[in-house]
Amino acid sequence: NAGVTQTPKFRILKIGQSMTLQCTQDMNHNYMYWYRQDPGMGLKLIYYSVGAGITDKGEVPNGYNVSRSTTEDFPLRLELAAPSQTSVYFCATGQGYEQYFGPGTRLTVT
Amino acid sequence: GQNIDQPTEMTATEGAIVQINCTYQTSGFNGLFWYQQHAGEAPTFLSYNVLDGLEEKGRFSSFLSRSKGYSYLLLKELQMKDSASYLCAPEANQAGTALIFGKGTTLSVSS
Repeated sequence: NAGVTQTPKFRILKIGQSMTLQCTQDMNHNYMYWYRQDPGMGLKLIYYSVGAGITDKGEVPNGYNVSRSTTEDFPLRLELAAPSQTSVYFCATGQGYEQYFGPGTRLTVT
Repeated sequence: GQNIDQPTEMTATEGAIVQINCTYQTSGFNGLFWYQQHAGEAPTFLSYNVLDGLEEKGRFSSFLSRSKGYSYLLLKELQMKDSASYLCAPEANQAGTALIFGKGTTLSVSS
């Protein structure tokens, strides 16, 4: 039981490049979330999903896209990377009274 | 709107007791989570309060007053490994019950 896994752990992108951050969970949770955490700041919600085929915007969705074709996977797509997207990205799943976080992806855009 | 207020930093010594306060304003409030986050790591779950009162779990306890928009996390018998950020996170009945995070309180425990 791996819980929530994220890949890659680290990535450096050039401005304008694109990439997909992967998130997979094996807990069969319906709810999944993407947060970003800037240094010294709280986590901010980017996108969320309440089940396969259903996604919606969070607080800071600009510059990102998501899809949820299966219960297990919730990838986050950056199309045109910008320096402002330098952050740590956490994927989380929830069911009931707890949210479980993945280990995070550290992204630097230069 | 959403607003969460907790102290930025706190210091304490090993074996002591520390209380981290959190006040919040959020619409559609369901309950309140406390998470611990060590530097460079993901947040890990500590507690969840949905009813008013105190929830005790080992060395950690969490209190909630829904009418006052107030919660605290109480850490007893502090250990060096408790040095971390503590995140107060109200759960709103919106955005798929996503959590709303403040900046957290960085606790430093010294010997």
